[in-house]
Amino acid sequence: EVLLVESGGALVQPGGSLRVSCAAAGFNVSDNYINWVRQAPGKGLEWVSVAYADGNAYYTDSVKGRFTISRDDSKNTVHLEMNSLRSEDTAVYFCVRGSGWGQGTLVTVSS
Amino acid sequence: DTQMTQSPSSLSASLGDRVTITCQASQDISIYLNWYHQKEGKAPKLLIYDASTLEAGVPSRFSGSGSGTDFTFTISSLQPEDLGTYYCQQYDNLPYSFGPGTKLDLK
Repeated sequence: EVLLVESGGALVQPGGSLRVSCAAAGFNVSDNYINWVRQAPGKGLEWVSVAYADGNAYYTDSVKGRFTISRDDSKNTVHLEMNSLRSEDTAVYFCVRGSGWGQGTLVTVSS
Repeated sequence: DTQMTQSPSSLSASLGDRVTITCQASQDISIYLNWYHQKEGKAPKLLIYDASTLEAGVPSRFSGSGSGTDFTFTISSLQPEDLGTYYCQQYDNLPYSFGPGTKLDLK
C-alpha cells in the first residue's frame, strides 16, 4: 500500500525559511516522481514542483529560485526547502505520487 | 504554460441527477488529463486519468471523455458522497496546471 506522510508545516515570518518533508512507504522514492501541490485557505489546487527519478526537478514560476525539492533515498523521503517565504505561500502542502496523496501539512507565513 | 478553465464554477443538483462538468485547455494536451474530487478538509482523490480511464475502485457512475483541448466529466446519478469540489489537471506539459474547480452541492 502506498503511504505518504507530510510533516514540517509551521508558522513562519515573511522572508523566513522552512523545510517540509514527505515520508513515503510502499514504494521507493528513488524510482518514482514525486509532486508537491499546495492549496491556499479556501482556494483551489496549485501544482508547485516535481522531482523525477532521474534527478531532474521543475518548479512553478512563482517559487523558482526560492524553493528546492530534494530526495533522501536512505530515508525514502522527499523534502521541499522553502526560502524567502511570502504571505502568498501560505497553504496546505501535499505530496503526490500517482494517485496517492498525503494528508498535507500547513505552512503559514505571517508576522 | 497551459491554462485550464472549468465550467460551471458551481453547480446545484438533486440526488439521482446526471451531472456534467467541462474542462478546457488553452492548448492541445492530448489525453493527459486527470479528474479529482475533493471533500472539505481532505486531500483530493483521483477519479479519472488519461481523460477517460477510471481509477481502480472508483464507481462506474463516474466517466470522462475528450481529447485535445475539450474534456467532459459526468456523474450519471448523483449520490450524497459525490458532493464537494471537482478539479481537472493537465499533465501533458510543465507546469502541471489545475482548473479552478467546480463546487457541487445539493439543490
